[in-house]
Amino acid sequence: DTGVSQDPRHKITKRGQNVTFRCDPISEHNRLYWYRQTLGQGPEFLTYFQNEAQLEKSRLLSDRFSAERPKGSFSTLEIQRTEQGDSAMYLCASSRRGSSYNEQFFGPGTRLTVL
Amino acid sequence: AQTVTQSQPEMSVQEAETVTLSCTYDTSESDYYLFWYKQPPSRQMILVIRQEAYKQQNATENRFSVNFQKAAKSFSLKISDSQLGDAAMYFCAYRRREYGNKLVFGAGTILRVKS
Repeated sequence: DTGVSQDPRHKITKRGQNVTFRCDPISEHNRLYWYRQTLGQGPEFLTYFQNEAQLEKSRLLSDRFSAERPKGSFSTLEIQRTEQGDSAMYLCASSRRGSSYNEQFFGPGTRLTVL
Repeated sequence: AQTVTQSQPEMSVQEAETVTLSCTYDTSESDYYLFWYKQPPSRQMILVIRQEAYKQQNATENRFSVNFQKAAKSFSLKISDSQLGDAAMYFCAYRRREYGNKLVFGAGTILRVKS
C-alpha cells in the first residue's frame, strides 16, 4: 500500500508529557498537511509544508506544538506538555504539485488520549 | 474567513433509495473548489466528489452528484441507489483555488443506511 501512513495509530499519555507523531506522505507528494479532528467535528487545519518549508500555521498551533519536515519527505508533529484538550485525532494529508486539482490524500490518523 | 456549515448532524436512508446531504458555505472569493469527503468508521477520509466554482455544470461521479448553487452558496450531495457501504460520516469542504491552500471542513453529517 503506497498511501499516506501515520504512526502510531493510537497514543495514550498523561497530562504534561510530550508526544511525537510521524507522517509518511505518498512518495513524490511535495505538499504535506496536518489537521486535528475532535470527536463529532470536522478536521481543522493546523499547518502545511511544501517540501521542507513550513508555509502556513493555524492559530490552533500553539507554542506547545511544533511540526517539522526536515528532508521534505516524512513529517513529525510534537506536542509538549500535553493537556486534556489536546485529545483528538491528528490527521496527515499529502498532495502533489501539478495534479489535476491538488487532491489531498489522507492518512488513517493518530488518536491521542491525554489522561 | 471562510466557513462551511452542515446543518444535518445525522441522516438515514433506506437501501436503494436516494438521499441528499446539505452544505452551505461563506466566502468572499470567486474562485474555489468544493468537495465532499467520506469518512467510514475506520476513519480514513476519502474524496467522493469535487466541484470547481467556475464550472456551472454540476459534478457527477457514478451514484454521487452535487447541486451547486453558487449565488446561494449551497453545495448539496445526492446519493442515488444507496448501498450499505455508503454508511459513513460525510464532510463538505472548501478550498481556495490557489494551489496548496488548506481545506475548511463542515462539522459533518452521519449517514446511516438501513437494509
